[in-house]
Amino acid sequence: NAGVTQTPKFRILKIGQSMTLQCAQDMNHNYMYWYRQDPGMGLKLIYYSVGAGITDKGEVPNGYNVSRSTTEDFPLRLELAAPSQTSVYFCASSHSRTGVTEAFFGQGTRLTVV
Amino acid sequence: QQQVKQSPQSLIVQKGGISIINCAYENTAFDYFPWYQQFPGKGPALLIAIRPDVSEKKEGRFTISFNKSAKQFSLHIMDSQPGDSATYFCAASYHEKLTFGTGTRLTIIP
Repeated sequence: NAGVTQTPKFRILKIGQSMTLQCAQDMNHNYMYWYRQDPGMGLKLIYYSVGAGITDKGEVPNGYNVSRSTTEDFPLRLELAAPSQTSVYFCASSHSRTGVTEAFFGQGTRLTVV
Repeated sequence: QQQVKQSPQSLIVQKGGISIINCAYENTAFDYFPWYQQFPGKGPALLIAIRPDVSEKKEGRFTISFNKSAKQFSLHIMDSQPGDSATYFCAASYHEKLTFGTGTRLTIIP
């Protein structure tokens, strides 16, 4: 029972480099999310998806891109990494039920941009 | 614009005491209010949640109190234990999008 799997767990990037954070879920959830967590700031929604082929911006989308070609996978792309993108990134998924949003989170990816 | 405000930022409680964390929200369209618990190095995990048509929900030692008119809700942890030491996030949901508070680092001391 894997749940939500994120890779890699840790990564150091140089300014201007790009990378893709991988996220996969095996619960057949239609909703998937990317959050970033900064100290004292809580979790901020970057992008979310309500199903394969459908994505939308969250609160802090600048500098990121996503795609959702399958129900299981929701990769997050960082283009031209900047120090401000140093953060812990969490992927989550949930099953759509009216009035209930139980999100299941992955273990996170700690990204440092130097 | 912070739609969900959480306090305190950190909290120290003696073992056996009551831990209380408060949250306030602005958007009256929110229709689901969960609390998440996060241990170091782990992702947040759902602890307990409430719908706005209910004023209180209790699960074991954890209770959510909800005041719709004041747009406030709180988490009470009774008989707090060292294993409860973690960061707690309140959240509010609308159309399956969760908005989180800034978190409370709870430390239970012997």
